[in-house]
Amino acid sequence: KNQVEQSPQSLIILEGKNCTLQCNYTVSPFSNLRWYKQDTGRGPVSLTIMTFSENTKSNGRYTATLDADTKQSSLHITASQLSDSASYICVVRSSGTYKYIFGTGTRLKVLA
Amino acid sequence: SQTIHQWPATLVQPVGSPLSLECTVEGTSNPNLYWYRQAAGRGLQLLFYSVGIGQISSEVPQNLSASRPQDRQFILSSKKLLLSDSGFYLCAWIQGLHPPLSSYGYTFGSGTRLTVV
Repeated sequence: KNQVEQSPQSLIILEGKNCTLQCNYTVSPFSNLRWYKQDTGRGPVSLTIMTFSENTKSNGRYTATLDADTKQSSLHITASQLSDSASYICVVRSSGTYKYIFGTGTRLKVLA
Repeated sequence: SQTIHQWPATLVQPVGSPLSLECTVEGTSNPNLYWYRQAAGRGLQLLFYSVGIGQISSEVPQNLSASRPQDRQFILSSKKLLLSDSGFYLCAWIQGLHPPLSSYGYTFGSGTRLTVV
């Protein structure tokens, strides 16, 4: 069964600290993986997309990694800011069904 | 530039009442349009998608229906709401063909928080 699991469910950190969010998936065959940021009460916004051949991709203070062998991805946030408080959703696309499988997200709270 | 509008932002409706949520896209033509529902603590669930006017595909059996009366308009409806219809509803679009090219991702609307009481 195609599934995407994210951990932790929620995370609280102090402003300026780094954090890493995890995404494990069982989707096969794999097409790509996206990380979205969803502010409270808003629609998700794409942060980065990872394809099978990519190991690391950065978008400002956000760095995503992908290990296609272990089917794991991580999103690392450097020098967190209050505006990073949001839910981060991992979405994996299956090339077999062309469907997008959404994780339940990690809710990040950055405190001053 | 392309924009997607979704309204209303919040809605509180009694059980058994009708529902109509509207989504419009600007700055593009023939988009693929999607309705998703996000329940608390759960991932987004695809409800409907549309590749063109009058073309609706349903992903899960439910109390809801969708329509696409115009190229850039997508409407989510219900004749009689249930308590279980409560959730956060998101409209999204992807350009191009369906299924979309792998490099294309969703652009989401700002969502509608529906509470059925």
